[in-house]
Amino acid sequence: KAGVTQTPRYLIKTRGQQVTLSCSPISGHRSVSWYQQTPGQGLQFLFEYFSETQRNKGNFPGRFSGRQFSNSRSEMNVSTLELGDSALYLCASSFDSGSTDTQYFGPGTRLTVL
Amino acid sequence: GQSLEQPSEVTAVEGAIVQINCTYQTSGFYGLSWYQQHDGGAPTFLSYNALDGLEETGRFSSFLSRSDSYGYLLLQELQMKDSASYFCAVRDNDYKLSFGAGTTVTVRA
Repeated sequence: KAGVTQTPRYLIKTRGQQVTLSCSPISGHRSVSWYQQTPGQGLQFLFEYFSETQRNKGNFPGRFSGRQFSNSRSEMNVSTLELGDSALYLCASSFDSGSTDTQYFGPGTRLTVL
Repeated sequence: GQSLEQPSEVTAVEGAIVQINCTYQTSGFYGLSWYQQHDGGAPTFLSYNALDGLEETGRFSSFLSRSDSYGYLLLQELQMKDSASYFCAVRDNDYKLSFGAGTTVTVRA
């Protein structure tokens, strides 16, 4: 099976702009989660989508939003970009077989806000 | 909320044994997972403990004590390729997966 893919891999934006990141999960996986990773902060949970519904949301401002399509592909959007939004954004998919399900991560999108 | 504590850095020589501790405070608990991330790469799943005790997978082992809210990842016979960041993660009652800040393991020749 192909792994989780994320596009684009790198992105440079300026403050105030908005950005949309895309994630294609492993075939058959119904759950997609998004994380923000910055140096020293580990992975901060943004939100999780399952069957086109947002199941969970982390402690991020409303500028961060996402959605999931019927084919399980997911997008996340960040509006009114701030310098602090510069980070690696990781997407992870899982089959969602229960509490033991393993997260399979994509390579991430490196966002730089100037 | 959730909090996970793990050391920020560990350095060891090839062939040595390294133990990475993780203590957690969560609302509910479904198990402790460990992920490995090489510099510039994606995190990859290493192990999962739902019950107390030791789980062994090759050179890596993971331990959990639910009563102590504590677990560890044991890396044995260290190799240069084990130089990476290691994250513990816990899924809570809301089914959110929370990660620790990560431990950077540096293996020296």
